[in-house]
Amino acid sequence: SQTIHQWPATLVQPVGSPLSLECTVEGTSNPNLYWYRQAAGRGLQLLFYSVGIGQISSEVPQNLSASRPQDRQFILSSKKLLLSDSGFYLCAWSAAQGALREQYFGPGTRLTVT
Amino acid sequence: QKEVEQDPGPLSVPEGAIVSLNCTYSNSAFQYFMWYRQYSRKGPELLMYTYSSGNKEDGRFTAQVDKSSKYISLFIRDSQPSDSATYLCAMGSGGYNKLIFGAGTRLAVHP
Repeated sequence: SQTIHQWPATLVQPVGSPLSLECTVEGTSNPNLYWYRQAAGRGLQLLFYSVGIGQISSEVPQNLSASRPQDRQFILSSKKLLLSDSGFYLCAWSAAQGALREQYFGPGTRLTVT
Repeated sequence: QKEVEQDPGPLSVPEGAIVSLNCTYSNSAFQYFMWYRQYSRKGPELLMYTYSSGNKEDGRFTAQVDKSSKYISLFIRDSQPSDSATYLCAMGSGGYNKLIFGAGTRLAVHP
């Protein structure tokens, strides 16, 4: 069965510090990968998605970047965090092909920028 | 106008009640529809998905899609306190499996 991991689970970082959040998927090959941010009491905002190694699409202009160095690894980064980067960050995967379009989410990382 | 509208609630019901959660959408290109359940401080969990108009049932949950009205619903029968969570609708079309999410409805089922 497929499993998706995210770490760290919780992070408190000062403004201006760098960020690296990691997501890995097990039990599947060539998945589509996604990074979302969820602000308190709000829906999910898609930040980045990737259909393959080194292929990243950005949905919104922002202070963040994403990379996919391996097939099942997705990294969210920032060089200098802003207060507005605080939120709940979720990684998700879906099958690359086929009729099934569901996305499956990891446990999330709660980021607080102080 | 947002592509997907969902009443944020909160919705409070007694145990055993039938719950109706709804989303409306504006993009007629949406082809597939999903409902996720999200417990506090956890990642969303896929509950139901469907690709056509009509009803789909899974245990106490029924997902309903009306493409002509651009309206989807999730019904929960015999609601339990363990159903207390935020329910997110999601829909998509085209390639890359991109989904558009509603803001979520917070549900509380009290004993």
